[in-house]
Amino acid sequence: EVQLVGSGGDSVRPGGSLRLSCVASGFTFSSYEMNWVRQAPGKGLEWVAYIRSSGTKTLYADSVKGRFTISRDNAKNSLYLQMSRLGAEDTAVYYCARFSRLGNYFDYWGQGTLVTVSS
Amino acid sequence: SYVLTQSPSMSVAPGQTARITCGGDNIGSKNVHWYQQKPGQAPVLVVFNESDRPSGIPERFSGSKSGNTATLTISRVEAGDEADYCCQVWVSDSDHLVFFGGGTKLTVL
Repeated sequence: EVQLVGSGGDSVRPGGSLRLSCVASGFTFSSYEMNWVRQAPGKGLEWVAYIRSSGTKTLYADSVKGRFTISRDNAKNSLYLQMSRLGAEDTAVYYCARFSRLGNYFDYWGQGTLVTVSS
Repeated sequence: SYVLTQSPSMSVAPGQTARITCGGDNIGSKNVHWYQQKPGQAPVLVVFNESDRPSGIPERFSGSKSGNTATLTISRVEAGDEADYCCQVWVSDSDHLVFFGGGTKLTVL
């Protein structure tokens, strides 16, 4: 069974940093492209970042470019999101999500981890 | 940037058909995918590549596309279908890969 378990969400002050993790199981993690997607309270889904299966290519939404870094450790079946210079606009549930190998859509999602940025 | 437009909400009686639309410029050239999200839960893929269903998704869920509009159709709506439904496309010629519609809240009367 495919599982994505996210963690690391917390309450932080504006300007602070946080690192999210997502541990994958039930599939060959190193063969899949992965993403982070977030959802602010009461809002829709927003794609945040992408990483190639090998980790050699990353892409970011303009709203986080230069502040967030996506990475992965295929030996540990783990995906990460390092977030810095956090602002209130980054308050959201953050989901790790797997890109299907059959097309560019998300076939599995983690349960989400909540990041709250507040003074 | 790429904008996908969805109506914020719609309501339908049990047993009726719900048609949720997603509009976008030149959407005909893109593959459209649909997700269902219930309160407090992660999204679930219900239709991919316009009209394909993942295993475990009922045949009542179907997708189509015409012109600049993609449509998710839910036949014989049940109370358990009440959720937010969101469309998604992938834009290959951009560094911003993925765009979502704003979502449509489906209420079952």
